[in-house]
Amino acid sequence: DSGVTQTPKHLITATGQRVTLRCSPRSGDLSVYWYQQSLDQGLQFLIQYYNGEERAKGNILERFSAQQFPDLHSELNLSSLELGDSALYFCASGVSGRGSYNEQFFGPGTRLTVL
Amino acid sequence: AQSVTQPDIHITVSEGASLELRCNYSYGATPYLFWYVQSPGQGLQLLLKYFSGDTLVQGIKGFEAEFKRSQSSFNLRKPSVHWSDAAEYFCAVGSSSNTGKLIFGQGTTLQVKP
Repeated sequence: DSGVTQTPKHLITATGQRVTLRCSPRSGDLSVYWYQQSLDQGLQFLIQYYNGEERAKGNILERFSAQQFPDLHSELNLSSLELGDSALYFCASGVSGRGSYNEQFFGPGTRLTVL
Repeated sequence: AQSVTQPDIHITVSEGASLELRCNYSYGATPYLFWYVQSPGQGLQLLLKYFSGDTLVQGIKGFEAEFKRSQSSFNLRKPSVHWSDAAEYFCAVGSSSNTGKLIFGQGTTLQVKP
């Protein structure tokens, strides 16, 4: 158990809908990272938040957004869903202070199926 | 741009045999390198990491990896594979910025024959 929790574990929805994925980082970790794992794209970095502020952006679609709250949990919002958004979405957390690097601990993921 | 290549998509080894999974990276400076394992239906678990210093790093579950700058490689090894090692293995490189985002290879699926 990494200490990172993600809910829900599975999500099935229809095209055009909006969903919210939730992540709680390990106690003490200030950074939250979101990754998407799909068969055709592999594991891709989406976005990072550090202590409530956006730190880095990767291959995240405009239909997707994220935020990190004062209690450090994070939510990834996916809207106008398409079939191609079906994937496993991972959250990871790390201490990751400015100017330093720390390993990331991954949650179990949320499997999103868009029908 | 940073990138990671895992040349072998699928590898099958017999239980008790040795294992080497290949990883090549493209990076402008000294990289931060990682190996993660993903069992079916599970998240990613960190096996080992290289930041600096000794180029041979030891990890959990009896795995080790060697950083070779001249070959831009960070291959994962295990002297004797157990059936429970069957999983997907990912090599990753850390970003040059202070964000810490990871760039992953495509993964290698390991099958273990009894």
